[in-house]
Amino acid sequence: NAGVTQTPKFQVLKTGQSMTLQCAQDMNHEYMSWYRQDPGMGLRLIHYSVGAGITDQGEVPNGYNVSRSTTEDFPLRLLSAAPSQTSVYFCASRDQGSGGEQYFGPGTRLTVT
Amino acid sequence: AQSVTQLGSHVSVSEGALVLLRCNYSSSVPPYLFWYVQYPNQGLQLLLKYTSAATLVKGINGFEAEFKKSETSFHLTKPSAHMSDAAEYFCAVSDAGSKIIFGSGTRLSIRP
Repeated sequence: NAGVTQTPKFQVLKTGQSMTLQCAQDMNHEYMSWYRQDPGMGLRLIHYSVGAGITDQGEVPNGYNVSRSTTEDFPLRLLSAAPSQTSVYFCASRDQGSGGEQYFGPGTRLTVT
Repeated sequence: AQSVTQLGSHVSVSEGALVLLRCNYSSSVPPYLFWYVQYPNQGLQLLLKYTSAATLVKGINGFEAEFKKSETSFHLTKPSAHMSDAAEYFCAVSDAGSKIIFGSGTRLSIRP
């Protein structure tokens, strides 16, 4: 199993550009989430999904869209990039059940100039 | 809504000394609690989790944590620090729903 994969690893955008961060998992997990990590702020939940066709907002959803058309994929779209979105983005997946271990992807380092 | 507070953004201990990383949580229902570790330039790895079984939870690399409901705490400990323990540690909470919320993290440094 590849686990949770993310592409790209690094990305530089100009303010106002849009892009999609890709996330895929091959563990047949129902739950998937996107977090951003900023120094001193830990990981903050952006959006999450409890299954194909179902998504919900996390702590910091503004400026981001998600969709979940399949169990495997959970892309994160930046609609109009801003410097405040410079961050490291992690995708994660886990089995159903609140006690399930969450598996993380390697992260995408995004810089918006 | 659930939340997590990690006391101390940076903890420094000597090699061989006790490691204590503090975590307090807020949850309206009995929580599930987690500790994750992140080594430099890597993703997060689960250290241990509490899921309402034993209140003392043992994890990998000699770490353990004790769930104390009366104190709403889930502190992480290790009896003897090793240089390889230097990393950032995150406490996280999940209630009966599907979200996992993380604390702001504690960076652990080990002095030779």
